[in-house]
Amino acid sequence: DVKVTQSSRYLVKRTGEKVFLECVQDMDHENMFWYRQDPGLGLRLIYFSYDVKMKEKGDIPEGYSVSREKKERFSLILESASTNQTSMYLCASSKGLAGSTDTQYFGPGTRLTVL
Amino acid sequence: GQSLEQPSEVTAVEGAIVQINCTYQTSGFYGLSWYQQHDGGAPTFLSYNGLDGLEETGRFSSFLSRSDSYGYLLLQELQMKDSASYFCAVRSRDSNYQLIWGAGTKLIIKP
Repeated sequence: DVKVTQSSRYLVKRTGEKVFLECVQDMDHENMFWYRQDPGLGLRLIYFSYDVKMKEKGDIPEGYSVSREKKERFSLILESASTNQTSMYLCASSKGLAGSTDTQYFGPGTRLTVL
Repeated sequence: GQSLEQPSEVTAVEGAIVQINCTYQTSGFYGLSWYQQHDGGAPTFLSYNGLDGLEETGRFSSFLSRSDSYGYLLLQELQMKDSASYFCAVRSRDSNYQLIWGAGTKLIIKP
């Protein structure tokens, strides 16, 4: 089974702090994604990565950055946390096969609260 | 722009059949996926339609009509464990082939 793990289930930070969210997958997947999920808005893509050291902006990249130094690890960074970044953050990975469903496998999520 | 619409909430009775609709607007449509998410859990993949028609996986089926920009998820013989949120998600050229997600439909099942 594909396993995607995230470093924390719950996190509380203060406004202005730098926040790191870590995600690790164990199935040698090419693609990795960071989403945020807010009630009534579904999942919104922040950043994704096709390969090591590659990153692409999603729909809402402002206020976030990412790092992918190793294939299995994809980090989301909030340079200066703000209260409007309080949300559930979901990491996902996929094989990256063209012409297929390219099913995404999700981690358990990190609920971040910024005070 | 791109958009997906699905009902925010659907209520059904245990043992019954329920249909969750999804309409979308996008250019360069590639495929429609469905994911299930239990409260406090991670989304998990249910079904995918790349071509028109019905795909069946056990008690769950998914349908797509590309000409109508419409799809649905059909859940049969509902069980209490099917209480969850269901998301449709579209992959298209417009989204650089990344998934664009609907807001989700909360399915409430009553005994």
